[in-house]
Amino acid sequence: AQKITQTQPGMFVQEKEAVTLDCTYDTSDPSYGLFWYKQPSSGEMIFLIYQGSYDEQNATEGRYSLNFQKARKSANLVISASQLGDSAMYFCAMREGGTYKYIFGTGTRLKVLA
Amino acid sequence: EAQVTQNPRYLITVTGKKLTVTCSQNMNHEYMSWYRQDPGLGLRQIYYSMNVEVTDKGDVPEGYKVSRKEKRNFPLILESPSPNQTSLYFCASSFLGSGVSGGYTFGSGTRLTVV
Repeated sequence: AQKITQTQPGMFVQEKEAVTLDCTYDTSDPSYGLFWYKQPSSGEMIFLIYQGSYDEQNATEGRYSLNFQKARKSANLVISASQLGDSAMYFCAMREGGTYKYIFGTGTRLKVLA
Repeated sequence: EAQVTQNPRYLITVTGKKLTVTCSQNMNHEYMSWYRQDPGLGLRQIYYSMNVEVTDKGDVPEGYKVSRKEKRNFPLILESPSPNQTSLYFCASSFLGSGVSGGYTFGSGTRLTVV
């Protein structure tokens, strides 16, 4: 069955350091997309980055990169040079190509320390 | 401005009183979906739609109805709300095709309280 697991309920990182948020997934569909979203304390949901299951290179968007390890079924988000504004809840998500179901993990709350 | 417009932002209602939360997008997205967000549970998919007149159940569809009569609109209907449907609801839309990322644009959310 389709599943997303985020095992870190909360994390701290020092400003200007890099941080990795973990995400593992499970699906039997060979075609799928993996996504990360940010939810600041204001509540809006912001799309950060996407990785397709057939993409050979890891996705990058500015300070965000997605460390895609297909054999391990992991899609970790790496934020480089953390900023105070990065403090938020982060959600990993997956959409299957066959069913089009689009599910989310339970999230990781990141706090960036000055 | 490209956006998903969701209304109302806040709603307090009584058990059993039918309500509709509206969702409209102006980006010509094929895919639209509804989620509920509860503490510790992340976002759970209620229903989704791949195009006009094509909808399917997500993981938590009980107690909800949807329809997609026009591409831009995807209302969420609670025929007989109950207190366990008290939650934060999000509408989201995206493109649905090969070569596109499928990253969502979200509405601002509807905080629903059923008493």
